[in-house]
Amino acid sequence: GEDVEQSLFLSVREGDSSVINCTYTDSSSTYLYWYKQEPGAGLQLLTYIFSNMDMKQDQRLTVLLNKKDKHLSLRIADTQTGDSAIYFCAETGSGGSNYKLTFGKGTLLTVNP
Amino acid sequence: DVKVTQSSRYLVKRTGEKVFLECVQDMDHENMFWYRQDPGLGLRLIYFSYDVKMKEKGDIPEGYSVSREKKERFSLILESASTNQTSMYLCASSSRPEAFFGQGTRLTVV
Repeated sequence: GEDVEQSLFLSVREGDSSVINCTYTDSSSTYLYWYKQEPGAGLQLLTYIFSNMDMKQDQRLTVLLNKKDKHLSLRIADTQTGDSAIYFCAETGSGGSNYKLTFGKGTLLTVNP
Repeated sequence: DVKVTQSSRYLVKRTGEKVFLECVQDMDHENMFWYRQDPGLGLRLIYFSYDVKMKEKGDIPEGYSVSREKKERFSLILESASTNQTSMYLCASSSRPEAFFGQGTRLTVV
């Protein structure tokens, strides 16, 4: 079945760039997503990328997709304390369940002042 | 502004009770999902629905059922709540590519 892996923790200083990495196994993934979760809250959709794209930029966020290596990354420029949260990578699978989202376990980003 | 609304933020129920978690979306999305989130285990899919009255089991359906009588509403039912169902429950709706989540229901079974 599909699998999505992320490192569990990342700590950065305020003002630096953060890079959160994700790998996935389903070679027929069509969309890949990044979500943000603040304590006690639901998941907020940050951005998504279609599998035929290499890069997508949205303000401080840059998503890079290496389809050959099945590697996705999220770069947050000029990281702020308000960016401290758990970040989830997710993908939509293939076949009859291609609308189902499969998530990684999340990366806890801590931004130190 | 898109909206997925879960009926409760916090819920405390007794072992053996039948529990209903309600989720409503206002985006006319075809697909709706129920996940549970536990520390160290991430988000696990319980059930999803791709149309009214249609449902499919996710990865951990045991002990749960669902109902989708109207497009905008997707209910998760715990037939007989147990302490191992204490968790954060998250509802989502999607019309690809976008998928949005509700604020979550933290359920405690005592």
